[in-house]
Amino acid sequence: DTAVSQTPKYLVTQMGNDKSIKCEQNLGHDTMYWYKQDSKKFLKIMFSYNNKELIINETVPNRFSPKSPDKAHLNLHINSLELGDSAVYFCASSQELAGEDQYFGPGTRLLVL
Amino acid sequence: GESVGLHLPTLSVQEGDNSIINCAYSNSASDYFIWYKQESGKGPQFIIDIRSNMDKRQGQRVTVLLNKTVKHLSLQIAATQPGDSAVYFCAESRGYNKLIFGAGTRLAVHP
Repeated sequence: DTAVSQTPKYLVTQMGNDKSIKCEQNLGHDTMYWYKQDSKKFLKIMFSYNNKELIINETVPNRFSPKSPDKAHLNLHINSLELGDSAVYFCASSQELAGEDQYFGPGTRLLVL
Repeated sequence: GESVGLHLPTLSVQEGDNSIINCAYSNSASDYFIWYKQESGKGPQFIIDIRSNMDKRQGQRVTVLLNKTVKHLSLQIAATQPGDSAVYFCAESRGYNKLIFGAGTRLAVHP
């Protein structure tokens, strides 16, 4: 069984479009995250949610809006996509808010043309 | 396949040798550290962690060493196998489980 799943795995779209990436975890964790991995493999946190409440927002452009309908899901909506948004986006989850390792999903490869 | 990560530092080892991957962290207030392994096309996978009240922790074939004086973390892999080939990241935690990742090191294991 997949612990943290993301859809879609690949996303190719035109500049200016709006797209969403979905994430679900079946681990019963309270905290979920979104990370961006750039072309140099650098991983940077974007957002974290704990029990549907936003905890971390790392000065991400407001074109990015996370939404957590329940604690098992954290979706990422991106408006007006730009070329620089091309990256791999990873969802992750952890049991508690601090001091715990995070379980990562398989990633969504976004390419903006 | 992916064409990313071409500029990552690479550690090349022979199968069966021991590998040591090093990482410098930035914040002396960080109190929790993790090593992750990322295989091509996959998400990072937890390997081992260590808290700041320890200086060494061992797992199966892996050992993490923490030197808080110089803010240095290392991952030792014993008897490296081809399946260990991946990119390895250290991460430090600074409250609210905010993980700050290092730049990554590519481990290439040759038969």
